Amino acid sequence: EVQLLESGGGLEQPGGSLRLSCAASGFTFSSYAMSWVRQAPGKGLEWVSAISDSGGSTYYADSVKGRFTVSRDNSKNTLSLQMDSLRAEDTAVYFCAKVASSGWYVTNWGQGTLVTVSS
Amino acid sequence: DIQMTQSPSSLSASVGDRVTITCRASQGISNYLAWYQQKPGKVPKLLIYAASTLESGVPSRFSGSGSGTDFTLTISSLQPEDVATFYCQKYNSAPPWTFGQGTKVEIK
Repeated sequence: EVQLLESGGGLEQPGGSLRLSCAASGFTFSSYAMSWVRQAPGKGLEWVSAISDSGGSTYYADSVKGRFTVSRDNSKNTLSLQMDSLRAEDTAVYFCAKVASSGWYVTNWGQGTLVTVSS
Repeated sequence: DIQMTQSPSSLSASVGDRVTITCRASQGISNYLAWYQQKPGKVPKLLIYAASTLESGVPSRFSGSGSGTDFTLTISSLQPEDVATFYCQKYNSAPPWTFGQGTKVEIK
């Protein structure tokens, strides 16, 4: 069974940094691209970032480009999202997501971790 | 960037009704479209990919159609457990892999 467990969320001040982690299990992590998707309180889903299976290619939404960095450690089955220069509008639940082998859609979701950016 | 627009934003229908949700892409995306269901307080769940392929385990009352710019998610007979917000997502080769704004489905 695929399991994705996010951690690292919390309260941070505007301009601060947080690092989210996602521990993956139940599948061959190194064979799949991964993604981060967020959902602001009461709002819809927003694609944030993605990374190829090897980690060699990374992709970002314009709203986070230059501030967020996605990475992975295939030896530890871990996906990370380094979030710098945080803004109030980054407040959201962040989902770790397993991407399909046949395209960049999400087949499995973590439970999410809440990031709150506020002074 | 390609924009994804869903309609309606919300709907209310009776149990047993046929429900149709539309997703329109601002440019052609072939059939690179997925649909997700998010029940209240829950994590999203994949329903359909490649515009019309039902994910394993998803009830057959859900179906998808379309190609290019216009896509449809249909629930053939609405059930109480279908109360949720539904999202489309385009996933053609070029990011961003944008979601639609969501359609909230309620029981009348």
